[in-house]
Amino acid sequence: AQSVTQPDIHITVSEGASLELRCNYSYGATPYLFWYVQSPGQGLQLLLKYFSGDTLVQGIKGFEAEFKRSQSSFNLRKPSVHWSDAAEYFCAVGRYSSASKIIFGSGTRLSIRP
Amino acid sequence: DTGVSQNPRHKITKRGQNVTFRCDPISEHNRLYWYRQTLGQGPEFLTYFQNEAQLEKSRLLSDRFSAERPKGSFSTLEIQRTEQGDSAMYLCASSSEPGTGENEQFFGPGTRLTVL
Repeated sequence: AQSVTQPDIHITVSEGASLELRCNYSYGATPYLFWYVQSPGQGLQLLLKYFSGDTLVQGIKGFEAEFKRSQSSFNLRKPSVHWSDAAEYFCAVGRYSSASKIIFGSGTRLSIRP
Repeated sequence: DTGVSQNPRHKITKRGQNVTFRCDPISEHNRLYWYRQTLGQGPEFLTYFQNEAQLEKSRLLSDRFSAERPKGSFSTLEIQRTEQGDSAMYLCASSSEPGTGENEQFFGPGTRLTVL
């Protein structure tokens, strides 16, 4: 069965510090992988996606993620966080493409310490 | 283009009542999706349409739930005989179909349902 695990429910980092959010997936085929961000009162916004090719993908707002097939992981990173990065982050996997059913993880809430 | 819109944004109802939500997708998108998000969880897939055809339904979509997209534009999600467990945020998204571009799903702001 397809599933996504985000082991960290809540993370707090200091402004300016680096960030890594963990994501592990279970999927029988080559996955389409995504990271979304959800701010209070806002809709889900796509940060980045991986389909194939270079395993290090760049996204919006200075985020990047690395696909590691051997570890079934797709961790999200940012070298220096800003207070505006405080939000809920969701890792997700799609079956065929972006334009199909997407399975989301349970999310990691990011708080920023001034 | 104003993005995906959903109405109402909030709905409070009593157990046993029927409710209907509307989603207006981005105009050029022919795929439309419904998800449900409960507190502290990620969105869960409910169903999706390509034009007016409903291509997939989750087991989460019980007999009390029905979704339609009669003209291939806006969609409605109806819940009959609501239960307290139906309280959640209902999210709508739209995308182009595979092979026609990026296919990213763009999400609306959601409709928050509270069943008393």
